[in-house]
Formats: sequence, C-alpha cells, structure tokens
Amino acid sequence: EVQLVESGGGLVQPGGSLRLSCVASRFTFSTYWMHWVRQAPGEGLVWVSRIKKDGTATSYADSVKGRFIISRDNAKNTLYLQMNSLRAEDTALYYCTREAPGAGDWHFDLWGRGTPVTVSS
Amino acid sequence: SYELTQPPSVSVSPGQTARIPCSADTLPKQFVYWYQQRPGQAPVLLIYKDTERPSGIPERFSGSSTGTTVTLTISGVQAEDEADYYCQSTDSSGNLWVFGGGTKVTVL
Repeated sequence: EVQLVESGGGLVQPGGSLRLSCVASRFTFSTYWMHWVRQAPGEGLVWVSRIKKDGTATSYADSVKGRFIISRDNAKNTLYLQMNSLRAEDTALYYCTREAPGAGDWHFDLWGRGTPVTVSS
Repeated sequence: SYELTQPPSVSVSPGQTARIPCSADTLPKQFVYWYQQRPGQAPVLLIYKDTERPSGIPERFSGSSTGTTVTLTISGVQAEDEADYYCQSTDSSGNLWVFGGGTKVTVL
C-alpha cells in the first residue's frame, strides 16, 4: 500500500528540540516534492515546510522559519523535520504530505496519519 | 503573505445546498484546491484546479471560480458530509503554500 508513516512526536519542554521522521512506502520517494503540515488541537490545517525532490531547495512558513529544518534521505525513503526552539504554539499534529506531480498543479495527493507534538513544561 | 479566507461555519438541512466561499487576497489568483477532513482523519482531496473533481468523489461536490473567490458547492447535502472543509493554494512560485482557516459544515 502506498503510504506515509510519521514518527518522532512527543512531549518536549519549551525551548527544546525534536526531530520528526516520515517513511514513505510503495512509491518512488525521490521523484516527489514533500511537505510537512500541522494542525493544532481543534484548529485548522497550517502548511509548515516544503522540500524539493533532491533536497536542494526548501521553503518555510514564517512562523517556523529559522527554527525548523526540513530534510530528506532518498536512500532511506525518509523525510525529516528538525524542530528547534520549540514554543507552546508549535503544539500540533504534524502530517507528512506528498505533493502531487504536475507543473503548477500544486496540491497534496497523499497524507500520513500524523505524529503529535506537545510543547509544555 | 498570501491569505485565503473562509467562513468558520455553515449549517444546512439534509437535501439542501451548501456553499463555501474561499477568497484570495492577492492577484493573480493561483489554482485553489478543496479538502474534506472528518474528525480523527487525514484530509481528502475533493476539488482540484478550482473546478475539477477527482475520480471517486461524488458528483454532488463541485467547484466554481469568480475573480478572486472560489466556491465549493455541496448539492443535496447528506449527513455524511458533516465535516471540516479547507481550501488551499500557493503563491505564484509554488514555494509558499496556504490553507484557508477551514469551514465546519453542520447538517441539521
């Protein structure tokens, strides 16, 4: 089955760090741009970050720029999100998502089930 | 920054029509996409490129576009359509992505 499985979430204190992972299965991971999207409890979806197929280009939402780093290891079919200087407002379910192929057809065509992150003392 | 604005909630009786607008704050408007999210589940794509419906999505879901506003229409609403709906788009380069705040559809 084509899927994305996230891991690495948990409870962390404010100012702390956490690294999320997302393992891709049953598709050619290296041919897709990938993203992280988050959803705070009871709130809406928020785009976090995007990474190019070969990892050479990234972009971030203003709310996480300078604190989060997206990366990937195509040999391991794995996407990462290094989260530093965490704040209470980073508390959310973090989804790994796949960007649909096709120039200019910018949307998500595959989602993981998410991994929860709680930032609290 | 690029923002999409949706009403927070819409209520509709079964069999009636629900319309959810999504307004972009800049021109030119890029394509807008719609997702349905049921509680405890990941979002599912409903509409792509403003008006196109993926295979497997019921015909009662449709999209339209006028100027900087796109609208998701659910015709003949069913109880199972009670969910949160999000519009999504990007800036012109595709580097910055954005979701609308989401609209909770309640079936009365």
